[in-house]
Amino acid sequence: AQSVTQLGSHVSVSEGALVLLRCNYSSSVPPYLFWYVQYPNQGLQLLLKYTTGATLVKGINGFEAEFKKSETSFHLTKPSAHMSDAAEYFCAVSLLYGNKLVFGAGTILRVKS
Amino acid sequence: EAGVVQSPRYKIIEKKQPVAFWCNPISGHNTLYWYLQNLGQGPELLIRYENEEAVDDSQLPKDRFSAERLKGVDSTLKIQPAELGDSAVYLCASSLTQSAGGVNTGELFFGEGSRLTVL
Repeated sequence: AQSVTQLGSHVSVSEGALVLLRCNYSSSVPPYLFWYVQYPNQGLQLLLKYTTGATLVKGINGFEAEFKKSETSFHLTKPSAHMSDAAEYFCAVSLLYGNKLVFGAGTILRVKS
Repeated sequence: EAGVVQSPRYKIIEKKQPVAFWCNPISGHNTLYWYLQNLGQGPELLIRYENEEAVDDSQLPKDRFSAERLKGVDSTLKIQPAELGDSAVYLCASSLTQSAGGVNTGELFFGEGSRLTVL
């Protein structure tokens, strides 16, 4: 069965600083990996996804993530944080040919001015 | 293109009362999901439909929860009777699942959710 661990339920960065949100997964087969963002009182929005091919994937709003199979990780980064990035971020995994997403517990990102 | 639409956005009820949530998926999406999101946690799958068929309902508490997806489009999730612990956000999502041999990226599109408060 798949599972996702997000290290750090809260992360605080200064505006302009690097954003790093950590995600580790476990899966018995090559996974699909996703990062979703959730703004207050809104649904989840896809930031980026890894399916196959290039292990460094770029998403919306300047975010990117790198799939590292040897480390079973899929950390999310952004070189320079913006106030509008403050939200909750969820890492998720699904089976290669399945549609069932398993989510991590989420990381709340706070951006300080 | 319209996204996933859910209603109501907010619902407050007394315990033991019934409640129902409605979801209209993205047009053409054959797979529909109901997720439960408790405060401070990630969404957890309650039920997944492919067209009209519930293909995964292993996490749905069937003593009080029920769901249906008539005609393979809209879906309704019902709780009867509601308990205090049911206070949460109920998220609906949809996706397009290709037939065997096709590419399946597993990308889900979520609605804004229905926030339930049970008093």
